[in-house]
Amino acid sequence: NAGVTQTPKFQVLKTGQSMTLQCAQDMNHEYMSWYRQDPGMGLRLIHYSVGAGITDQGEVPNGYNVSRSTTEDFPLRLLSAAPSQTSVYFCASSYSLTGQYEQYFGPGTRLTVT
Amino acid sequence: KNEVEQSPQNLTAQEGEFITINCSYSVGISALHWLQQHPGGGIVSLFMLSSGKKKHGRLIATINIQEKHSSLHITASHPRDSAVYICAPGGGGSNYKLTFGKGTLLTVNP
Repeated sequence: NAGVTQTPKFQVLKTGQSMTLQCAQDMNHEYMSWYRQDPGMGLRLIHYSVGAGITDQGEVPNGYNVSRSTTEDFPLRLLSAAPSQTSVYFCASSYSLTGQYEQYFGPGTRLTVT
Repeated sequence: KNEVEQSPQNLTAQEGEFITINCSYSVGISALHWLQQHPGGGIVSLFMLSSGKKKHGRLIATINIQEKHSSLHITASHPRDSAVYICAPGGGGSNYKLTFGKGTLLTVNP
């Protein structure tokens, strides 16, 4: 299994540009999430999905869209990039093992918005 | 919202020392994760626990659900243990979402 994969690893955008961060998992996990990690702050949840066709907002959803058309893929779209979206983005997937959710993280995408 | 406090924020140790990182949280949960992140690296789940104690090699994690407190211990620390350790309550029962502490930066000197 490749686990959770993310592309690209690094990206530089200009303010106002749009782009999609890709996330895929090959473990047939129900749950997938997007987080951002900023210096001095804990990981914060952007959006999450409990299955194909079902998504919901997390703590910091503004400026981001998601969709989940398949179990495997959970792309994150930046609609109009802003410098405040400069961050490291992690995708994660999880599954329930006897009511506990094992967590698997992707390698991250480092995004800089100028 | 679950408020998560980790202590210490930074920790420097000599190789071989016993390390303890503490985590307190404000909202009762049924599971808690400890994560490890090496500088510039990805995030790896070390432990998921809902009660008592778990041990993997030199790492030990404990949790007291009633006290809303967990600890991560590293015995015989090694420079390769240098990383950020993150406490994340949640991911259990009806609450599959995690809340994250800000992390503890551990540096182990040879």
